[in-house]
Amino acid sequence: ETGVTQSPTHLIKTRGQQVTLRCSSQSGHNTVSWYQQALGQGPQFIFQYYREEENGRGNFPPRFSGLQFPNYSSELNVNALELDDSALYLCASSLSADRVVYEQYFGPGTRLTVT
Amino acid sequence: DQQVKQNSPSLSVQEGRISILNCDYTNSMFDYFLWYKKYPAEGPTFLISISSIKDKNEDGRFTVFLNKSAKHLSLHIVPSQPGDSAVYFCAASGVNNNDMRFGAGTRLTVKP
Repeated sequence: ETGVTQSPTHLIKTRGQQVTLRCSSQSGHNTVSWYQQALGQGPQFIFQYYREEENGRGNFPPRFSGLQFPNYSSELNVNALELDDSALYLCASSLSADRVVYEQYFGPGTRLTVT
Repeated sequence: DQQVKQNSPSLSVQEGRISILNCDYTNSMFDYFLWYKKYPAEGPTFLISISSIKDKNEDGRFTVFLNKSAKHLSLHIVPSQPGDSAVYFCAASGVNNNDMRFGAGTRLTVKP
């Protein structure tokens, strides 16, 4: 059974640019959640996708957007990057039924640095 | 808004002794509470959870206690082992568990 994988591992971007981060869910999981973890803080919920539809969103601006594909892999897109977007971005997958989400399994994260 | 708080950034205990990690929350609508463990360069790993209808859940060396009136939960590790050294995150969510809120984490160091 393959766990949650994320790519790339590290990324450096310039302020104002756009970035796409990718996540492959654990086999059999139909739900993906994305989190932003700033240095010294806990993960902050960005949004969640269940069967290709958004199933909840945290307090992040619209320039943070996402997609979930039919194979349940997912992308996180961030437009107009700001310095404060520098963080570890975590993806978590889970198996949900009727939109109720059970234990989430995290990938290793993508470290984004905005200069 | 910091709805989940872990007020101790770090904790150090001796191998074999009990480790107690604490967590407070402010949102009475939280229905489900979880503890995650995180090693460097890895994502958080699920450890143990508890539903709001219970006050205790035990899994081997790990026990989580929930005090709803005080909006407080704690994780007990007995006996503590050096391999338990990691950052521990407390998390809470509503009934559908689709908006999980994390605390800032407590770094546990277990000394041999």
